[in-house]
Amino acid sequence: DTGVSQDPRHKITKRGQNVTFRCDPISEHNRLYWYRQTLGQGPEFLTYFQNEAQLEKSRLLSDRFSAERPKGSFSTLEIQRTEQGDSAMYLCASSYGDSSYEQYFGPGTRLTVT
Amino acid sequence: SQQGEEDPQALSIQEGENATMNCSYKTSINNLQWYRQNSGRGLVHLILIRSNEREKHSGRLRVTLDTSKKSSSLLITASRAADTASYFCATGDYGNNRLAFGKGNQVVVIP
Repeated sequence: DTGVSQDPRHKITKRGQNVTFRCDPISEHNRLYWYRQTLGQGPEFLTYFQNEAQLEKSRLLSDRFSAERPKGSFSTLEIQRTEQGDSAMYLCASSYGDSSYEQYFGPGTRLTVT
Repeated sequence: SQQGEEDPQALSIQEGENATMNCSYKTSINNLQWYRQNSGRGLVHLILIRSNEREKHSGRLRVTLDTSKKSSSLLITASRAADTASYFCATGDYGNNRLAFGKGNQVVVIP
């Protein structure tokens, strides 16, 4: 296993378009997290899954955002009707357990909304 | 929300010198973690210290935790050019599943 992977690495889209990102976690990890990071800031929590269940969502996750983790394996994060303020790095992480465990991060997907 | 706040924000040192970064937080925590992020790469976990621990070492890294002051420090000894990166502290709360990250320290090690 080579770690957490994310696809695509970069995405440029026009305002109003929908985009979808994919994350493949480390296979034996049951927890999967999504974070957003803007320039000069630390990552901000968006949501997390335990197996296929989405158990927590941040208030940062507006109605335009939806995440899924079918079958408890890979996860997708979709942003509908993108806005310029959505431009950021979207990071995925996985772990064995809750926040008392280290999280393994993917390389991120950099979204630019023009 | 961002809980950790690192201090200082930016640090430039010569190779071989030590680098020290501080982090403060506001609520009770279960653990505090330090991560490194190189330009263009994802976050890499460096070290985790639990709330009942006061100091921890890993290679050239030394982390301290003072729960009474709600602060932590990360010391990198004998720095190398490859240590050039942003360093983030992140706290894990009891009964919580998210990590709350600070804004990060930019460290530049000059060869």
